[in-house]
Amino acid sequence: DAKTTQPTSMDCAEGRAANLPCNHSTISGNEYVYWYRQIHSQGPQYIIHGLKNNETNEMASLIITEDRKSSTLILPHATLRDTAVYYCIVRVYGQNFVFGPGTRLSVLP
Amino acid sequence: KAGVTQTPRYLIKTRGQQVTLSCSPISGHRSVSWYQQTPGQGLQFLFEYFSETQRNKGNFPGRFSGRQFSNSRSEMNVSTLELGDSALYLCASSFRQGAGDTQYFGPGTRLTVL
Repeated sequence: DAKTTQPTSMDCAEGRAANLPCNHSTISGNEYVYWYRQIHSQGPQYIIHGLKNNETNEMASLIITEDRKSSTLILPHATLRDTAVYYCIVRVYGQNFVFGPGTRLSVLP
Repeated sequence: KAGVTQTPRYLIKTRGQQVTLSCSPISGHRSVSWYQQTPGQGLQFLFEYFSETQRNKGNFPGRFSGRQFSNSRSEMNVSTLELGDSALYLCASSFRQGAGDTQYFGPGTRLTVL
């Protein structure tokens, strides 16, 4: 079973920041938080990952709480092309990714 | 650098047949994982290969098998196809095996079983 909890769906206005929350209250010290997204019927696309510190790349920012029990993916200026299912995954060491149902983000014009 | 490639992209088979899907990882990547995605079950892990050895296996019947070659390319085989095997089969590659290593996914092979 997935070790994360995410909202089923969210809407965001185009041009605004999209903040996608994820709860992972049972995370262990050596487990990473990963975010992927999947646009309809394509392969999942890697977005970002982190262990303890906040991370930023050209696509998004990842904010991890100090107790590591939750995180937020931030898309700073959402566009229509960001409409996708977003998966938050906690990767257990030595195991592969366990995908939950994710959050369906709809970016609205 | 080229991404993960999967062939064929689409496939139609009938019940009872077998099928072989192919995955070429990103150059330099040695780990290849396979996933099945269906509307009902979502994305489920099938197995992972690293240096030609199966390292992890998901909860799928023995009809699902795979292998990895010395150049890291991988194939998965499904024998005695069932209607429920209709799915998007995804391959992902990573440089090595480990919790902090990122997997990059291919576009998938859409298998339809009639």
